[in-house]
Amino acid sequence: SQQGEEDPQALSIQEGENATMNCSYKTSINNLQWYRQNSGRGLVHLILIRSNEREKHSGRLRVTLDTSKKSSSLLITASRAADTASYFCATGAGNEKLTFGTGTRLTIIP
Amino acid sequence: DAGVIQSPRHEVTEMGQEVTLRCKPISGHNSLFWYRQTMMRGLELLIYFNNNVPIDDSGMPEDRFSAKMPNASFSTLKIQPSEPRDSAVYFCASRSTGDSSYEQYFGPGTRLTVT
Repeated sequence: SQQGEEDPQALSIQEGENATMNCSYKTSINNLQWYRQNSGRGLVHLILIRSNEREKHSGRLRVTLDTSKKSSSLLITASRAADTASYFCATGAGNEKLTFGTGTRLTIIP
Repeated sequence: DAGVIQSPRHEVTEMGQEVTLRCKPISGHNSLFWYRQTMMRGLELLIYFNNNVPIDDSGMPEDRFSAKMPNASFSTLKIQPSEPRDSAVYFCASRSTGDSSYEQYFGPGTRLTVT
């Protein structure tokens, strides 16, 4: 079964607005990663946050992690048309395996 | 770097036929992963290898699926016999266990349609 559940399943916003996606998971983790998937393509790694971190930034991306609530959020600021894609969280237990969530389909309206 | 290479990109076959998907990981990466993505089940890990050795195949759906990694630069995923419910996009990913970012690098996928 899927470890992560993303919320919302789909999100449409105007270009320039901020987009927030949430991920919940069930078991203890070592790290949580976010990936992007453009239509018909493979997944691309965006950012990783470790279990002992609460917030991380990379460019227009901001990720938070609340291990007590077993949840994470991904914020994309000042969205662009090129950000249109599906976004997945993936949890790792410190070994090789990642368990992916169900994904959020983000559409940026020009 | 060419990235992870998968072939074929698209495969259409009839039920009962054997299907072989191929993957070339990024040079220097020593872990390789096979995933399956469908609308219903999302992205599922089928099997992964470390240093060419299968470590966890608990995601392989049934005996019709098999995977091999004869050397560090090549892996195959075989389905025999194929069934319509095997229709999905199959991704291969690789990483280096020396990379503390835990990042996996995905190939473009093989879209399999079984009629």
